[in-house]
Amino acid sequence: EVQLVQSGAEVKKPGESLKISCEGSRDAFNTAWIGWVRQMSGKGLAWMGSIYPGDSDTRYSMSFEGQVTISADASSNTVYLHLNNLKASDAAIYYCARLAPGSSSLHYFDYWGQGTLVTVSS
Amino acid sequence: DIQLTQSPSTLSASVGDRVTITCRASQSLSRWLAWYQQRPGKAPKLLIYDASRLESGVPSRFSGSGSGTEFTLTISSLQPDDFAIYYCQEYNTLSQTFGQGTKVEIK
Repeated sequence: EVQLVQSGAEVKKPGESLKISCEGSRDAFNTAWIGWVRQMSGKGLAWMGSIYPGDSDTRYSMSFEGQVTISADASSNTVYLHLNNLKASDAAIYYCARLAPGSSSLHYFDYWGQGTLVTVSS
Repeated sequence: DIQLTQSPSTLSASVGDRVTITCRASQSLSRWLAWYQQRPGKAPKLLIYDASRLESGVPSRFSGSGSGTEFTLTISSLQPDDFAIYYCQEYNTLSQTFGQGTKVEIK
């Protein structure tokens, strides 16, 4: 069974950095891209970027490129989302999600993590 | 950038009603569109992919149709578990854009 388990809720101060993890079962990661999706409070979904853990090939949304970094450790089936210089506007729920297996980084998301709530407050 | 516009934004319906949600794209997507359901406090759940393919385990009362720039999600007989927010998502472009969501609420 495919499972994606994210790290727990975080409370950070403006200017701090944050790394959120997403650990998957082996069959979640084999031959599949893993993406990150942001959901600000009461708002919709926004794709941030995706990574292929096998070779760390990474694609970013133009809206988020330069603002976040996505990395992976294939040996531990874990993908990370790095946020630096946090602002109040970074407060959101961040989801990791598996893109349905295929040869492309463009696909639908078939399995989702439970979400990580990030609060940014001084 | 591609735009996905869902209508309506909010829909009030009763258990047993037939419900239709529309997703219009600013450019052709062929059939590369998915639909998700998000219940309060939960992660989104895939319902439909490739515009009309039902994800395994999803009840058959959900169906999708359309191609190009206009797509619909239909719930044939609304059940209590179906009151949620529904999103479309395109995967034809590098933006992988989501629609703004349609909230289905109890009438």
